[in-house]
Amino acid sequence: DQQVKQNSPSLSVQEGRISILNCDYTNSMFDYFLWYKKYPAEGPTFLISISSIKDKNEDGRFTVFLNKSAKHLSLHIVPSQPGDSAVYFCAARGSGGYQKVTFGIGTKLQVIP
Amino acid sequence: DGGITQSPKYLFRKEGQNVTLSCEQNLNHDAMYWYRQDPGQGLRLIYYSQIVNDFQKGDIAEGYSVSREKKESFPLTVTSAQKNPTAFYLCASSIRRGTGSYGYTFGSGTRLTVV
Repeated sequence: DQQVKQNSPSLSVQEGRISILNCDYTNSMFDYFLWYKKYPAEGPTFLISISSIKDKNEDGRFTVFLNKSAKHLSLHIVPSQPGDSAVYFCAARGSGGYQKVTFGIGTKLQVIP
Repeated sequence: DGGITQSPKYLFRKEGQNVTLSCEQNLNHDAMYWYRQDPGQGLRLIYYSQIVNDFQKGDIAEGYSVSREKKESFPLTVTSAQKNPTAFYLCASSIRRGTGSYGYTFGSGTRLTVV
């Protein structure tokens, strides 16, 4: 049972345009959501996160939106740059003390120059 | 610089052999994790450890074993019982508990190939 779903395995966007990566989750106990970026043959690196008490968090070109009622979050990258080409993992964590992080299967973003 | 070091980067194993993947961190993190990445399957949790001398099975622990004798080290042994060990293995660490975005810090991974 996949609790964190990334239904688009890949996405191509023109340089300078907006990239929108989507993520859905099923577990209502998740209270923190994270996005990771991964280049081939490297470990994922933390990109941006959002608490369930917020609906938006922004960091430079990256913005994450959370819609709790729809159990949906999205990552917006504006403007997209060729260096953004990577696999993006959506992840979620429960509340209270230690809680392991559950990852989606990833979306491969290609930004075309 | 603090971080996580995984070694080796590439590893070849003959069928029927056990092999151990190294993971060391100097971030003073309490918790450590092993994930496996296969094409189209994202990151799947193998084992995790919250404190020294304690560890729990993740979602796909069969055929793997771990130890946590030191806070800094969390080696993963891929045994001959693991039926499909060829994969990219990622080690991660985090603070054990708290509030806020205590996400994971990942190592650079080990690609294991069975020949």
